[in-house]
Amino acid sequence: SQQGEEDPQALSIQEGENATMNCSYKTSINNLQWYRQNSGRGLVHLILIRSNEREKHSGRLRVTLDTSKKSSSLLITASRAADTASYFCAFTGGGNKLTFGTGTQLKVEL
Amino acid sequence: DAEITQSPRHKITETGRQVTLACHQTWNHNNMFWYRQDLGHGLRLIHYSYGVQDTNKGEVSDGYSVSRSNTEDLPLTLESAASSQTSVYFCASSGGASYSDTQYFGPGTRLTVL
Repeated sequence: SQQGEEDPQALSIQEGENATMNCSYKTSINNLQWYRQNSGRGLVHLILIRSNEREKHSGRLRVTLDTSKKSSSLLITASRAADTASYFCAFTGGGNKLTFGTGTQLKVEL
Repeated sequence: DAEITQSPRHKITETGRQVTLACHQTWNHNNMFWYRQDLGHGLRLIHYSYGVQDTNKGEVSDGYSVSRSNTEDLPLTLESAASSQTSVYFCASSGGASYSDTQYFGPGTRLTVL
């Protein structure tokens, strides 16, 4: 399967802590994206990192990409209860489509 | 503001019936996509379109069809609904020249086939 694998599948932290989730893939990519999905809602794009970039920041989000290891990580700093959601990586791998990872369920507790 | 909408939001139907899920976007995007989301499988691509009159099969296209007669709409039809098609369906669109560009998702349609 070309599907990306995300780790961990579920993560529970306290508000104010940092949350790190990882994505691994198997093919060469053009870019890698991260999306958030709140319960019962559609996916919302968070950040895109191109294959020639190693790190990118957006607000409290930091994304890294290691193409030699075929992996990416998403760091959310100073997490808030509103960050509770599922997070998916997505990448162009194996054909002209965006392939999504299996997702990490993040729960931020007060 | 531009948006992408789906209707209905919830649908219950019976095995064998034809069902059409609507997707409408006001982004004026050329690219539109249909996905299904199931526990343990993440999002899987059903069909996609890169412009009017263009349609392509995704990885799980059996039992589904789409047509693209204008830029704004990409309806998804289940020709003869099966229980295995019970799922949450998401429509998405993107405006870039590449399939790898950012996609904007609708709110989803929860379909139950009894």
